[in-house]
Amino acid sequence: EPEVTQTPSHQVTQMGQEVILRCVPISNHLYFYWYRQILGQKVEFLVSFYNNEISEKSEIFDDQFSVERPDGSNFTLKIRSTKLEDSAMYFCASSRTGNTEAFFGQGTRLTVV
Amino acid sequence: GEDVEQSLFLSVREGDSSVINCTYTDSSSTYLYWYKQEPGAGLQLLTYIFSNMDMKQDQRLTVLLNKKDKHLSLRIADTQTGDSAIYFCAETAGIYNQGGKLIFGQGTELSVKP
Repeated sequence: EPEVTQTPSHQVTQMGQEVILRCVPISNHLYFYWYRQILGQKVEFLVSFYNNEISEKSEIFDDQFSVERPDGSNFTLKIRSTKLEDSAMYFCASSRTGNTEAFFGQGTRLTVV
Repeated sequence: GEDVEQSLFLSVREGDSSVINCTYTDSSSTYLYWYKQEPGAGLQLLTYIFSNMDMKQDQRLTVLLNKKDKHLSLRIADTQTGDSAIYFCAETAGIYNQGGKLIFGQGTELSVKP
């Protein structure tokens, strides 16, 4: 069964460093998303991406964040100058259309020290 | 704004039915979802319901939707210890009311005792 895959599963980084979280969405899906879940809190929407551009982003998704689809298979989230409060589980998701169910990856646990 | 609320904990005995409840605010949501998260794992899509439906059954899972009260429930029949997990309710939201952006509840931790 096709699945969304994320790498790495766990990333530890020093405050102020840049990180890139990687995702391979399901191959025939056209819509891609990033969510995050701070420990003990709700899963929060960060950004949606379609047709090589951001279609919607939340207030959390400020200039510190960027997304890219560098090739036909990968979808990345870059966090510049990480802060302690960026520590969270980051989930990538994809959906076939904008109106069908989203499938989530296993997540990348980001720890900023 | 859009919001989804769930109770935080539910404890049941193995073999009993579990009912997890959720309320939401966005009456224009087209889809409502239930996701399952096991410890240290990702979000697994369990089931979903279209907003024009009242009920959907899928094996041991029954989803009930009351649009008037904006209330969604997930019933798990014959609950097993393997059902222990956090269950998230989510509604669709977004500028085009597309399925992309999901608003999640805080999750209900289901504990199944043998």
